[in-house]
Amino acid sequence: SQTIHQWPATLVQPVGSPLSLECTVEGTSNPNLYWYRQAAGRGLQLLFYSVGIGQISSEVPQNLSASRPQDRQFILSSKKLLLSDSGFYLCVGERNTEAFFGQGTRLTVV
Amino acid sequence: KNEVEQSPQNLTAQEGEFITINCSYSVGISALHWLQQHPGGGIVSLFMLSSGKKKHGRLIATINIQEKHSSLHITASHPRDSAVYICAALFQGAQKLVFGQGTRLTINP
Repeated sequence: SQTIHQWPATLVQPVGSPLSLECTVEGTSNPNLYWYRQAAGRGLQLLFYSVGIGQISSEVPQNLSASRPQDRQFILSSKKLLLSDSGFYLCVGERNTEAFFGQGTRLTVV
Repeated sequence: KNEVEQSPQNLTAQEGEFITINCSYSVGISALHWLQQHPGGGIVSLFMLSSGKKKHGRLIATINIQEKHSSLHITASHPRDSAVYICAALFQGAQKLVFGQGTRLTINP
């Protein structure tokens, strides 16, 4: 079955520090991959999606970037974190209408 | 526009009650997912539906394609069911999952 490994589960980072969140996919190839963010008290908002290696689409302008160096690897990055980057980040995969979900990362920027 | 609306936003009930959470979407979908998120915890996938009904333990999910509506039911609710329940729709041709706002469920003993 298709699974996503996302880590870490929780992260506390100082303002201005870099960020790298990674998710890897098992059990399928050529998935569509997504990064979502959930700010406190709000729903999950799409940040980036990728339909293949090196192909990234951004949904909202922000302090973050995404990369897909391999078919089953999707990375969310920032060069300098802001307080407003705090939230819950979720990696999602989709293949043939079936979606599969990472556990999520709770990021607190202090 | 691809939209997903959940109701209610918050729901408090007593242990043992039958719970219903609703999800409506705007246009045709390929699949609809129900997810569970415990406080401070990660996401657990409960169901994926494209038609009909699915059951797992005390959880039941239904979808009505014509009415563009899905429901999640919990029978004999228990305090451990307290969590945020989220529906997410994969819209036809869009290749994107759109999430509802979530329903915060609290079951009191």
